[in-house]
Parts: sequence; C-alpha cells; structure tokens
Amino acid sequence: AQSVTQPDIHITVSEGASLELRCNYSYGATPYLFWYVQSPGQGLQLLLKYFSGDTLVQGIKGFEAEFKRSQSSFNLRKPSVHWSDAAEYFCAVGRVATRQLTFGSGTQLTVLP
Amino acid sequence: ETGVTQSPTHLIKTRGQQVTLRCSSQSGHNTVSWYQQALGQGPQFIFQYYREEENGRGNFPPRFSGLQFPNYSSELNVNALELDDSALYLCASSLGTGANGNTIYFGEGSWLTVV
Repeated sequence: AQSVTQPDIHITVSEGASLELRCNYSYGATPYLFWYVQSPGQGLQLLLKYFSGDTLVQGIKGFEAEFKRSQSSFNLRKPSVHWSDAAEYFCAVGRVATRQLTFGSGTQLTVLP
Repeated sequence: ETGVTQSPTHLIKTRGQQVTLRCSSQSGHNTVSWYQQALGQGPQFIFQYYREEENGRGNFPPRFSGLQFPNYSSELNVNALELDDSALYLCASSLGTGANGNTIYFGEGSWLTVV
C-alpha cells in the first residue's frame, strides 16, 4: 500500500528566509507526486507535480521540488518565503494509471514578519 | 480558479440523516474523485468515477455512494450520517486515468457538519 509521511507538523520561518518542507513516500511502482497548498477554509491548489523526466520540478509561486528515488523523497523548496505563503502544505502520491491520491497529514507553515 | 465547482459550500445535518453533495468537473474532464478531509488531517480518497463507472474505492463503508452523470458531473451520497462524517468533502477532476500526466484539479469543497 502506498503512504506519505510529512515529518514536520508545523514549521515557522521568517519572511525572506528559505524554506524546505519534507515529504517521504512509500510506493511500489513509478510514483506520481504532487504538492498542494491549502489556505484556511479553502480547497487545494496545485503547486507542482512530478510525473516523469527531470527530477527537479518547477511550480507556481516560486516553489520547486526534487524527486529523489533513492531516498523516496519529494521535498518542496522555496528560496525566499513571502508572508502570503503561510498555509498548509500537502504532499501526495498516486498511481500513474489511476490518479487516486494518498496524502500526507500536512505541514502548517507560519511566516514571521 | 480550477473550474471545479461544488455545492453546497456549507451544510449542517443531524445524525442519521442523509446528504447529497454535488460536483461539476472542469470542462472535458471525464474522471471525478471524491476525498474526505477531517479537521487537521490530509484528504482521504473515497472513490473515483470514470465515464460514469466506479473506478476504485478507498476504505469507506457502503453508506458512502456516488454517481457520475453523462455530462461527467458527480454526486456523493452519505446515508445514516454519523458525527465522524463531519469534514470537508473535496471533489477532484482530471482527464482520463491513463499515464498521460494530466493534472488533477480540486474544487473548494463542501463543509459538512453532523450534529
């Protein structure tokens, strides 16, 4: 069975600082990996996805993620955080064939002024 | 704006009642999935519909049922509501289920409170 672990429940960074959110997955085949962001009371917005090809994926809002098969990781990064990035971030893995996603429990990001 | 619309946005039901939630997928998308997100948790896959047929189901009891219509819109029905059914219900749409890398888009969700 597939699973996703986001080891950090809550992260606090200062505005302008760099950010890395960790994601580890367990999956027996080629994974389809996503990062979504959710603001309070809102749905999920796709930041980026990895399907195949280049392991460094660029997304919206200046985010990027790197797929490392050997470490079963798909960490999300941003070089300089903005106050508007404060939200909850979810990593998800899915079967390429079916698009049925398994989500991690999320990381809550707080940005200090 | 993902083009996936859900209704209603908020509703309150009494334990034991039944509820129907609706989802209009993005234009042309023939695959719709439903997820339940309890407070403080990540979304959990309920089931998926592809071209009007159920195409996979998560670990949810049979009182969670669904339907997809010829225009690819979808309904989620929950019978005999329990307090633990209180959650945000998210609909997601995509084009096909094959290995084509198409993006999955989520709606804003329907907040269900069971009292």
